[in-house]
Amino acid sequence: EDQVTQSPEALRLQEGESSSLNCSYTVSGLRGLFWYRQDPGKGPEFLFTLYSAGEEKEKERLKATLTKKESFLHITAPKPEDSATYLCAVRENTGNQFYFGTGTSLTVIP
Amino acid sequence: DTEVTQTPKHLVMGMTNKKSLKCEQHMGHRAMYWYKQKAKKPPELMFVYSYEKLSINESVPSRFSPECPNSSLLNLHLHALQPEDSALYLCASSHASGRGAGETEAFFGQGTRLTVV
Repeated sequence: EDQVTQSPEALRLQEGESSSLNCSYTVSGLRGLFWYRQDPGKGPEFLFTLYSAGEEKEKERLKATLTKKESFLHITAPKPEDSATYLCAVRENTGNQFYFGTGTSLTVIP
Repeated sequence: DTEVTQTPKHLVMGMTNKKSLKCEQHMGHRAMYWYKQKAKKPPELMFVYSYEKLSINESVPSRFSPECPNSSLLNLHLHALQPEDSALYLCASSHASGRGAGETEAFFGQGTRLTVV
């Protein structure tokens, strides 16, 4: 069965302190790996799609990378407004199901 | 436009009530989803519609009844719910499997915060 594991479960950073979130996955055939940001009480907001190993995507202070077994979400010089839960999900080559990890709760302290 | 619109935003219902949640998208997506999310947990899949046909039902109790009247709309009918059904209900949409490469991501609505009393 497809599995997605995220670590750490929670992360506290000082403003400006760069770090990375990890998403490990096992899937029979990867159609896409996705990163979402979710604020409390709101729906997940789409950030990135990665399709193949070696691919990278960037948006402001966020950069997502992909290998054959895991993805990293690098946060450079974070600000308090980056505080949120970051969810990773994968989709197989066949079917319409998305498999979510349990998320990383990020808190950036001013 | 990547917007998925859910109504209502908040809903309080008694255990004997019947209510419906509504979801709408105009991205041409032919796969639509209902998820349930409890606090500090990831979204939990309930139903998937593909080309307006129910393709996945994750053993959801019959007090939840989905409906997909057309390619843009998705409803979730609620009846005789229990307090433990209180949660954030999320609708999402994506291009369906088989469409080809690219644009495989799902977009989510802002959710309906449901409280069962």
